[in-house]
Amino acid sequence: AQTVTQSQPEMSVQEAETVTLSCTYDTSESNYYLFWYKQPPSRQMILVIRQEAYKQQNATENRFSVNFQKAAKSFSLKISDSQLGDTAMYFCAFMKPPGAQKLVFGQGTRLTINP
Amino acid sequence: GAGVSQTPSNKVTEKGKYVELRCDPISGHTALYWYRQSLGQGPEFLIYFQGTGAADDSGLPNDRFFAVRPEGSVSTLKIQRTERGDSAVYLCASSLIRTAKNTEAFFGQGTRLTVV
Repeated sequence: AQTVTQSQPEMSVQEAETVTLSCTYDTSESNYYLFWYKQPPSRQMILVIRQEAYKQQNATENRFSVNFQKAAKSFSLKISDSQLGDTAMYFCAFMKPPGAQKLVFGQGTRLTINP
Repeated sequence: GAGVSQTPSNKVTEKGKYVELRCDPISGHTALYWYRQSLGQGPEFLIYFQGTGAADDSGLPNDRFFAVRPEGSVSTLKIQRTERGDSAVYLCASSLIRTAKNTEAFFGQGTRLTVV
């Protein structure tokens, strides 16, 4: 079974700083998808960024980028120029294709951006 | 609708009672998922529907939990003889197709269930 581990329960940075959230996973699959989701106090999970394991190039979405290290089974999220609205829980998630989006989530990291 | 709608937003029930949680997915989305998120944890998969049928119910914890989607749209998660350990946020998500490559799962705001 796949497992996802987020070793940082909480992180806090000043506005405009760069922050990196860590995630490691365990799988025997060679092809899979990895995701970062944001969960604000409203509880709604919002997709931040996704990475396909067969793609070597790291995914980027505006201020959000990932460092995908397949051999190390590591998938970290970097947030540049952090904003107050980035304050939320962040979850790393794994999905094995080709089937349903049965996501396996990590325990989450609570990120606080301070003014 | 514009997004995934879950009702009620919050539900408090007494131990042993029966509860129903409703999910109204985005119009046209054929895939629907239920997850359970306990306090301080990430969501855990419960069940997945493709159309009207449950394609994967491997995450349902026991036979007190049941879910239906009779017309391929709205889904109801049913919990019988509730226990205090059932207290959690129940999240619903929907998507157009099954693969992650071309689409994403859109989540509702969840139902917070508290069993007292």
